[in-house]
Amino acid sequence: QKEVEQNSGPLSVPEGAIASLNCTYSDRVSQSFFWYRQYSGKSPELIMSIYSNGDKEDGRFTAQLNKASQYVSLLIRDSQPSDSATYLCAVNIKGSQAGTALIFGKGTTLSVSS
Amino acid sequence: NAGVTQTPKFQVLKTGQSMTLQCAQDMNHNSMYWYRQDPGMGLRLIYYSASEGTTDKGEVPNGYNVSRLNKREFSLRLESAAPSQTSVYFCASSGTGVNEKLFFGSGTQLSVL
Repeated sequence: QKEVEQNSGPLSVPEGAIASLNCTYSDRVSQSFFWYRQYSGKSPELIMSIYSNGDKEDGRFTAQLNKASQYVSLLIRDSQPSDSATYLCAVNIKGSQAGTALIFGKGTTLSVSS
Repeated sequence: NAGVTQTPKFQVLKTGQSMTLQCAQDMNHNSMYWYRQDPGMGLRLIYYSASEGTTDKGEVPNGYNVSRLNKREFSLRLESAAPSQTSVYFCASSGTGVNEKLFFGSGTQLSVL
């Protein structure tokens, strides 16, 4: 069974701090990695995607990927109360037929206090 | 600008009843997916369809069947609902390729009594 592991939290940080979210995955052949944000009662929305080893920055968000360690992380700089949500790590897997699909971790709940 | 549309938004069933959750997308995507989400469990993949005419089991397929009716529509059927199937169900779609992002519907809250 291919797995994606995340600390469930809650992770609590003060406003303006850096929030660090971590994820490990079991399938060595996975090629694509995604971070989704989900507010309570809403659908997940994509924040970042990363495909190559190293860092990828988009505004206050930085995704980091280390395929050798099977590890992907998300850093949120200058955290805001509006960042309070559940963050889901997703990894693509290859199915028995031609397609691929995303499997998700259980999510990390982030709380940013003002 | 509908994106991914799921119906119904809410449903209450009795144990043993059957029902079909409907999903349609208007983005000309090849791939479609059904996930369920339980408290503290993230999203778990039930079934997916990489293209019209194909379906594949995900992480938790037992108790469900799917039909890829055409390129736009992908339905999820519960033949004999059980309380363990109480959950929020999300349909999603994406283009072909490993780097494609998922577009989610708004979800169906299903309760089985």
